[in-house]
Amino acid sequence: GAGVSQSPRYKVAKRGQDVALRCDPISGHVSLFWYQQALGQGPEFLTYFQNEAQLDKSGLPSDRFFAERPEGSVSTLKIQRTQQEDSAVYLCASSPQTGTGGSYEQYFGPGTRLTVT
Amino acid sequence: GQQVMQIPQYQHVQEGEDFTTYCNSSTTLSNIQWYKQRPGGHPVFLIQLVKSGEVKKQKRLTFQFGEAKKNSSLHITATQTTDVGTYFCAGGGAGGSYIPTFGRGTSLIVHP
Repeated sequence: GAGVSQSPRYKVAKRGQDVALRCDPISGHVSLFWYQQALGQGPEFLTYFQNEAQLDKSGLPSDRFFAERPEGSVSTLKIQRTQQEDSAVYLCASSPQTGTGGSYEQYFGPGTRLTVT
Repeated sequence: GQQVMQIPQYQHVQEGEDFTTYCNSSTTLSNIQWYKQRPGGHPVFLIQLVKSGEVKKQKRLTFQFGEAKKNSSLHITATQTTDVGTYFCAGGGAGGSYIPTFGRGTSLIVHP
C-alpha cells in the first residue's frame, strides 16, 4: 500500500513568510508525529496526534508553529513569520499504535526541506 | 528529561569489516527502536526490542537490548556498500509515553 506522503518536498520561503506543510499518513494509522531534522542530527520531536487530538505539542519551538489534524487523517504543520533558524527538514511519521501505551514503530514520509532566505 | 546518546558519530570501515553502534539512555526505557536513513532519504524502521536482554537478528544485523533496559547496540557483520547510511536508535520512555527519543545517529561509511 501507499506509504506516508508529504508535500511540498522542497520549499523556499523568504524570512517573514508563512508556510504550510502537508502530511498524508498511512491509511488507518491512528498516530501521527511531526519532527524537525537538522543536518547531521536525529529527528527532534515537535508534536503528536492521536486521531484528531493533539496530545503533545511540547516540542514546538515557538508559538509561530502550529499543527492540526482536523479529521484524524491529513495533517498540516504551519509556520508563521518564518525565520532562518526554521530551515530544516520537517518529517512526518505515522504509527499503527492503538492507544494502549508505549511507543510503536513509525513510518516516515520523505520530508519537506524548508529553506528560509 | 530523557536523553539518548549514540556513539560513535561516524564510522569508516572497509567493505567486509564489522561495525557496531551503541545507544545509551539516561533513564530506563520501555523499548528501543532502530532506524536506518540512507543519504538524502528518510528514516526507515528496522526493528523494535522490548524485553530486557533481548537479542534479535536480521541477516547480518544483530540487535541487543541491555539487561537494565538503558542501553542497546546494533552490530553489522561483514559490511557491504549497501549498508551505508545513518543508523538511529529511538528509546521509548518508561511509563507508557507514545513519544520515542531519537539519538543523534551513527553515520556508517563503507569503503569498497
